[in-house]
Amino acid sequence: GESVGLHLPTLSVQEGDNSIINCAYSNSASDYFIWYKQESGKGPQFIIDIRSNMDKRQGQRVTVLLNKTVKHLSLQIAATQPGDSAVYFCAENRGEGGADGLTFGKGTHLIIQP
Amino acid sequence: DAGVIQSPRHEVTEMGQEVTLRCKPISGHDYLFWYRQTMMRGLELLIYFNNNVPIDDSGMPEDRFSAKMPNASFSTLKIQPSEPRDSAVYFCASSRDRDHGYTFGSGTRLTVV
Repeated sequence: GESVGLHLPTLSVQEGDNSIINCAYSNSASDYFIWYKQESGKGPQFIIDIRSNMDKRQGQRVTVLLNKTVKHLSLQIAATQPGDSAVYFCAENRGEGGADGLTFGKGTHLIIQP
Repeated sequence: DAGVIQSPRHEVTEMGQEVTLRCKPISGHDYLFWYRQTMMRGLELLIYFNNNVPIDDSGMPEDRFSAKMPNASFSTLKIQPSEPRDSAVYFCASSRDRDHGYTFGSGTRLTVV
C-alpha cells in the first residue's frame, strides 16, 4: 500500500554542523507535507510545512525541500544545537478525496554530539 | 492558549477493564484527531472529527474502540474491554482546517497488564 517512509532511522551529527533528514513518500496525490519533532515523553511538535505547489520553504534554522519528481522530502537543520536532539517525522496529507488525517513516517532519531 | 489538553497522562489498568481517554482541543479548531503511537507501528490515525462529527474511523482497530465528541471542546476515546496489546501512547490533535499543521497534546501512556 502507499506509505510514507524514512531512509535513515538514526542520524548523529556534531553540534554546530548542519543536518539533513530525508523522507520518501509514495502517494502522488499528497498535496501537503509537514515535519514534526518529538522529544521524549512529549507529543509531536510542528516544525515546518510545505504545499505541493512549492519546492522549498525556509523557517528559522530549518528548510524543507520537496522534490515531487522523485517523491522526496527533506528537512535541513542549520547549526544544530543540543536541543535539536529528538525524533523527526515527516507526514503527508493526501489531496482531495483522500483522508484528511496525516499519515506519518516511522521517524528518524537525530542525535547531536557535543 | 493552553494547547491541546489530554488526561490522564498515564493510565495503568488490568486486562478486561474499561479505559476512557479524554481530550480538550484548542478553541476554534474544527478538526480533532486521535492517534496511537507504538514502537512497532509508529503513529497511526484512529479516527477524526470535523465540527464534532466523526468523518473517518477506518483506523479504529476493532469494535472495542469507540470515540465521541459531544461538543466542540471535548472528546473521549474509550476501550472496552482493554487488552495488553492496546498498550501504547494515545495522542489527540486538533487543527483549524485540513491544510494547517496539527497541534498535538502531550499524550496518554496506556499500559494494560
